[in-house]
Amino acid sequence: QKEVEQNSGPLSVPEGAIASLNCTYSDRVSQSFFWYRQYSGKSPELIMSIYSNGDKEDGRFTAQLNKASQYVSLLIRDSQPSDSATYLCAVKSFGNEKLTFGTGTRLTIIP
Amino acid sequence: DAGVTQSPTHLIKTRGQQVTLRCSPKSGHDTVSWYQQALGQGPQFIFQYYEEEERQRGNFPDRFSGHQFPNYSSELNVNALLLGDSALYLCASSLLQYEQYFGPGTRLTVT
Repeated sequence: QKEVEQNSGPLSVPEGAIASLNCTYSDRVSQSFFWYRQYSGKSPELIMSIYSNGDKEDGRFTAQLNKASQYVSLLIRDSQPSDSATYLCAVKSFGNEKLTFGTGTRLTIIP
Repeated sequence: DAGVTQSPTHLIKTRGQQVTLRCSPKSGHDTVSWYQQALGQGPQFIFQYYEEEERQRGNFPDRFSGHQFPNYSSELNVNALLLGDSALYLCASSLLQYEQYFGPGTRLTVT
């Protein structure tokens, strides 16, 4: 079992719709959760961090965390073509300095 | 406010050679982490430096070594290059154990 799992996609969403990206993790002592956006040929860009159960909203982005189910998700409202990218889920465990990444979900917003 | 910078942008080396990659952290950050990202994969943690010492290391051989300078900048050295070392090398900076911000990366090609 991979430590952090994401559906590789591609996930196609019409412009203006809600894109939903999911991530599961295996380490129960995971404490910090991050979503990075990576455009083709570029480096990852941090877009959201979440540390406690529930929802965290930032503009069009909402991160949702459920530690009991070991599940974290990212919702993108009013999807724009500029949101087309690979979205990486990263997890950090207690006492561990490294980020463990999933393989990413490729999202395409269809105009 | 300057973000994380890395040099060089691209590098082509021959198998068996040695390479040094450089990173300057974001202003105010004191911790530097290095990651290797192969095509289609999430970044893999190499090691992290704090207070000029290696704080944690991932599953990479001793051919990979690093250094952090008093001004918090860092170098990643790879000896005896293998074809499989071809990847995007990412430097991430943070303030202590908080959010990690990536630089633009160095694309290394080993022929």
